[in-house]
Amino acid sequence: ETGVTQTPRHLVMGMTNKKSLKCEQHLGHNAMYWYKQSAKKPLELMFVYNFKEQTENNSVPSRFSPECPNSSHLFLHLHTLQPEDSALYLCASSHFQSTSGGAEQFFGPGTRLTVL
Amino acid sequence: KQEVTQIPAALSVPEGENLVLNCSFTDSAIYNLQWFRQDPGKGLTSLLLIQSSQREQTSGRLNASLDKSSGRSTLYIAASQPGDSATYLCAVLGAGNMLTFGGGTRLMVKP
Repeated sequence: ETGVTQTPRHLVMGMTNKKSLKCEQHLGHNAMYWYKQSAKKPLELMFVYNFKEQTENNSVPSRFSPECPNSSHLFLHLHTLQPEDSALYLCASSHFQSTSGGAEQFFGPGTRLTVL
Repeated sequence: KQEVTQIPAALSVPEGENLVLNCSFTDSAIYNLQWFRQDPGKGLTSLLLIQSSQREQTSGRLNASLDKSSGRSTLYIAASQPGDSATYLCAVLGAGNMLTFGGGTRLMVKP
């Protein structure tokens, strides 16, 4: 596989369920990201991991819990979600460049989440 | 806080037209600007990336320009085709590898 992959592609869950989204990148990058895309709202950054350490948490509710076990894998653990959390969740990766400039981010196909 | 605005929100043109999509941002302290394409229900495909020190980038029928001082970028699409129909997103990269997106321009190219 090449690029950034995400599983599952579609997920329907009840508010009391616990589920996890998985992202894997095959590009040799060392930074990974979770974004949320809700209907009629711009894409929002949720979490940033640089060198496996979380460096940004964009005021995301604690019912979303990220995990980055290594530079190639990123998870988003979900529990006690609300219907308004239904959205497209996108994972991205890039090289991490702290000073000289910005690296291009590459996106996965997303997981379409529906919370009933 | 960085804010990114895209105009127009939607655009419908006949096949063959040249068109311009606009993006503006409020904080000029950016590392780069990326243009993406998103098909319905799908992820994002990167089209062009312009580093903050650059003025423009070209790829095939696409040309993107950047005026960092005025906080503006344009995406020019030449000789549009029905296959170009999609939502086009502009995003700027700030400190901490944080990418801020605009609301997108939904483009429809009619045969």
